[in-house]
Amino acid sequence: GAGVSQSPRYKVAKRGQDVALRCDPISGHVSLFWYQQALGQGPEFLTYFQNEAQLDKSGLPSDRFFAERPEGSVSTLKIQRTQQEDSAVYLCASSLGQGVQNIQYFGAGTRLSVL
Amino acid sequence: AQSVTQLGSHVSVSEGALVLLRCNYSSSVPPYLFWYVQYPNQGLQLLLKYTSAATLVKGINGFEAEFKKSETSFHLTKPSAHMSDAAEYFCAVSNPGGSYIPTFGRGTSLIVHP
Repeated sequence: GAGVSQSPRYKVAKRGQDVALRCDPISGHVSLFWYQQALGQGPEFLTYFQNEAQLDKSGLPSDRFFAERPEGSVSTLKIQRTQQEDSAVYLCASSLGQGVQNIQYFGAGTRLSVL
Repeated sequence: AQSVTQLGSHVSVSEGALVLLRCNYSSSVPPYLFWYVQYPNQGLQLLLKYTSAATLVKGINGFEAEFKKSETSFHLTKPSAHMSDAAEYFCAVSNPGGSYIPTFGRGTSLIVHP
């Protein structure tokens, strides 16, 4: 596609509910990143995929967070038993490859509100 | 370990005035440095990056930044602000020897007055 697409754009969940956030990267991009951006803060790294392999998940805040990219394209970030502190904008970015010469292109994000 | 400090959560300038957004970094190795811009309800867009070549880096939309190792700074400037420059700006640092995953600052909101 023309850019990184994320859906839904907005999600309201009741505390304890499970949610799934989708990211469609730019076609052909090998690397995919998830970030969490709390209100008034910069993005914080959650996890990174190279093709279907999850190479780094050091930023996932708890075992309630799970990400997958089974076919090396679309990725899903799942949050189980959501808590109020999970409220944030979740950003997805993709790049052609790994390395600083490969610019990360960001989606518009999914704004998650947990009530 | 690496980190970024952006001085001033908000910067207000008049249209046509100089824009200066401050960024100081901390890194145990020579870093790569980035500036991103985020418009409301949009994702981040790369403005420019420093990757150990020229210390003065020119980016899109007339922005530039200078890497100063002695001051551990990477301030973003633009000679003349335009109304369309109003946005959130993020400085970021990454480790060239690592996975290139950037660490972002908290952001500076640029307000441009007519």
